[in-house]
Amino acid sequence: NAGVTQTPKFRILKIGQSMTLQCTQDMNHNYMYWYRQDPGMGLKLIYYSVGAGITDKGEVPNGYNVSRSTTEDFPLRLELAAPSQTSVYFCASSYSPGSGIQETQYFGPGTRLLVL
Amino acid sequence: QQQVKQSPQSLIVQKGGISIINCAYENTAFDYFPWYQQFPGKGPALLIAIRPDVSEKKEGRFTISFNKSAKQFSLHIMDSQPGDSATYFCAAHGGYSTLTFGKGTMLLVSP
Repeated sequence: NAGVTQTPKFRILKIGQSMTLQCTQDMNHNYMYWYRQDPGMGLKLIYYSVGAGITDKGEVPNGYNVSRSTTEDFPLRLELAAPSQTSVYFCASSYSPGSGIQETQYFGPGTRLLVL
Repeated sequence: QQQVKQSPQSLIVQKGGISIINCAYENTAFDYFPWYQQFPGKGPALLIAIRPDVSEKKEGRFTISFNKSAKQFSLHIMDSQPGDSATYFCAAHGGYSTLTFGKGTMLLVSP
């Protein structure tokens, strides 16, 4: 199992450009998440998905969009990049609640994004 | 607003010492409290977790102490080692398996 994989590892964007951060998991998890991590601020939830075709906003969704067409993939879209979106982005996945397995979230290695 | 407050922001401990990180929460509906460990350049990984029906959980050198009435929980790292140097996040489980994270504690264990 590769677990949660993310691409790219690092990207520099110009203000106003768009890009998609890719996330794939091979653990057959229903739940997937996108976080951003800024120094000293912890992990902030951007969007999450409880299954294919179902997504919902987290704490900081503005400027981002997501889709979930398959169980495995959960891409994050930045439409008009702004300097405030400079951050490290983590994708995570977990089993469904009530499955009898603790609600561990498994994180990918992250994508470092710099917007100039 | 759901919050988890974590302290201290950074911590330096000598090798062999005890590292203690504290967290406090507000929402009494939280039902699962994990700690995540993150090394530089890596994603966070689950270290240890506790549910509110127990007051303590120990796994090796790592112990969570949980005080339900005070709405506080803490991570104790016994016999701290340089390899424990990392950022530690406490978290609390809310609805739909979402986690609310503390802001993190950077731990440095000096040799």
